[in-house]
Amino acid sequence: QKEVEQNSGPLSVPEGAIASLNCTYSDRGSQSFFWYRQYSGKSPELIMSIYSNGDKEDGRFTAQLNKASQYVSLLIRDSQPSDSATYLCAWGGSRLTFGEGTQLTVNP
Amino acid sequence: DTGVSQDPRHKITKRGQNVTFRCDPISEHNRLYWYRQTLGQGPEFLTYFQNEAQLEKSRLLSDRFSAERPKGSFSTLEIQRTEQGDSAMYLCASSLAGSGQLNEKLFFGSGTQLSVL
Repeated sequence: QKEVEQNSGPLSVPEGAIASLNCTYSDRGSQSFFWYRQYSGKSPELIMSIYSNGDKEDGRFTAQLNKASQYVSLLIRDSQPSDSATYLCAWGGSRLTFGEGTQLTVNP
Repeated sequence: DTGVSQDPRHKITKRGQNVTFRCDPISEHNRLYWYRQTLGQGPEFLTYFQNEAQLEKSRLLSDRFSAERPKGSFSTLEIQRTEQGDSAMYLCASSLAGSGQLNEKLFFGSGTQLSVL
């Protein structure tokens, strides 16, 4: 069983819409989750971290964590074409394990 | 530039040759990680160091791969007798352990793209 699974992509949304990205994990011992954004040909860039159940908001981004259901999600409000990228979820033990990523395209 | 630096950016080699990559982490970071990423996949963990100690190495990692961080600063990743399957982006990342959070935030370098012909 994969340690981290992300919702299959690619995901396409119109500009201004809410993009919803999901990630499930199998290890109940997981305590910390991260969302990274990766533009084509570039390295991953940290955009959100979340450590406890509930929501965490940062600008247009909201991360949601539900440990009982073993999922973490990322909402991007008012999506912009510049948000078009691959979004990677990761969970951390002594090191991070990454999901396969979800490719998001925001259409003008 | 205070970010993670990797060298070279690109490496083309012939099958069977040895290659070595270098990573310079963010100066105050004590942990250094190596990941490998192929097209359409997320980064795959290879190994990590805390200071000069190599704390974990992926069980999937071939014995042809070796990494060092001799003075707890920069690190090198060597691949011996390269194979075509080694072609990938090799990413280095660093973090500050003990920052008060349960798990560290990783900051990545630009990567070294390896092509084995």
